Amino acid sequence: AQTVTQSQPEMSVQEAETVTLSCTYDTSESDYYLFWYKQPPSRQMILVIRQEAYKQQNATENRFSVNFQKAAKSFSLKISDSQLGDAAMYFCACTSGTYKYIFGTGTRLKVLA
Amino acid sequence: NAGVTQTPKFRVLKTGQSMTLLCAQDMNHEYMYWYRQDPGMGLRLIHYSVGEGTTAKGEVPDGYNVSRLKKQNFLLGLESAAPSQTSVYFCASGQRGGKETQYFGPGTRLLVL
Repeated sequence: AQTVTQSQPEMSVQEAETVTLSCTYDTSESDYYLFWYKQPPSRQMILVIRQEAYKQQNATENRFSVNFQKAAKSFSLKISDSQLGDAAMYFCACTSGTYKYIFGTGTRLKVLA
Repeated sequence: NAGVTQTPKFRVLKTGQSMTLLCAQDMNHEYMYWYRQDPGMGLRLIHYSVGEGTTAKGEVPDGYNVSRLKKQNFLLGLESAAPSQTSVYFCASGQRGGKETQYFGPGTRLLVL
């Protein structure tokens, strides 16, 4: 069975600083995908970044990047130059060919002005 | 494109009442999902569908039924609502199921008294 663990219920970061959100996962599949989703107060789930497990290169999307450590089953999200609009719940998710997505319990990110 | 829409946005039910949540997507996606989100527990998969006329159970299917009579619609039913079903419900759809990004609806907040 797949599991996704986010061990940081809450994190804070100063505006313009960098923060890293942690995620570990466990899956027996060799082909899987990892995601970070953002959920602002509006509750809308927004895709932040996606990583294919077969790709060694870490995914990046503007100020967002991941540190994908396949052997350690770790998938952390780095947010650079944090902005007030980055304040939200962040969910890590894993999926394989079973069509099921497994989500972590989320990390609430606060951005301090 | 409206993307994924959910009806209603908010509903209050009394214990024992029934209701149906409607999810519609206009992206011609094959795969559709229903999740519930509870504080501290992230998103948990209730049921999913890999195509018109098909449904399958997720992590927490008890007390819910679903139907996918049309490709663009995925209905979630509560036959006899219980206070434990108070939650925020999200619908999502995806193109290739398990390997592509899921697109989420705005959520339905359900309160069962």
